[in-house]
Amino acid sequence: GDSVTQTEGQVTVSESKSLIINCTYSATSIGYPNLFWYVRYPGEGLQLLLKVITAGQKGSSRGFEATYNKEATSFHLQKASVQESDSAVYYCALRLSGSFNKLTFGAGTRLAVCP
Amino acid sequence: NAGVIQTPRHKVTGKGQEATLWCEPISGHSAVFWYRQTIVQGLEFLTYFRNQAPIDDSGMPKERFSAQMPNQSHSTLKIQSTQPQDSAVYLCASSLDSGLNTGQLYFGEGSKLTVL
Repeated sequence: GDSVTQTEGQVTVSESKSLIINCTYSATSIGYPNLFWYVRYPGEGLQLLLKVITAGQKGSSRGFEATYNKEATSFHLQKASVQESDSAVYYCALRLSGSFNKLTFGAGTRLAVCP
Repeated sequence: NAGVIQTPRHKVTGKGQEATLWCEPISGHSAVFWYRQTIVQGLEFLTYFRNQAPIDDSGMPKERFSAQMPNQSHSTLKIQSTQPQDSAVYLCASSLDSGLNTGQLYFGEGSKLTVL
């Protein structure tokens, strides 16, 4: 079946340092899936951070970027300089073409930013 | 504008009891999704509705679990004869049902179910 694998567990980064959270996917359908990063801040519901519908393109939001690499089947999340307010749990997700909004999520990566 | 509302936020049941979880989607959203989150399995899709009609329940356990959407303003997830392995956070999400089909889901904060 379809699956998403991302950096496991917790990542700890010092404020103003760079961040990368890895995400790779496996999709069984014909065609390329759409890819998403969702984030859950403390005390809030899961929310969309960024998305890329077309392979080869880059999505960005709140200083975060992710590029859809169809050859590597990857969608890594990066940020050049993290802030304490970025501390949250990040989820990579995919949606198969034609599957409406049914998403398959990775296990989540907790980001802790230290001052 | 209120987000997706889930009640109760926390529920503790004894083994064998029934648990009903409620979800109120964002007004105007006609698609509702249910997910289950555990440490071991992560976020698992359970089922979803479009315009109140069940579309895909491929993630629902075949026994004891059922979901309904009797009107546009709420959906329920019912678990009969709860077992300890049902302990999880149950997340409800809603989305617009439009030609844009953007993949953006709006999640509630979840209902944490603990089965003793």
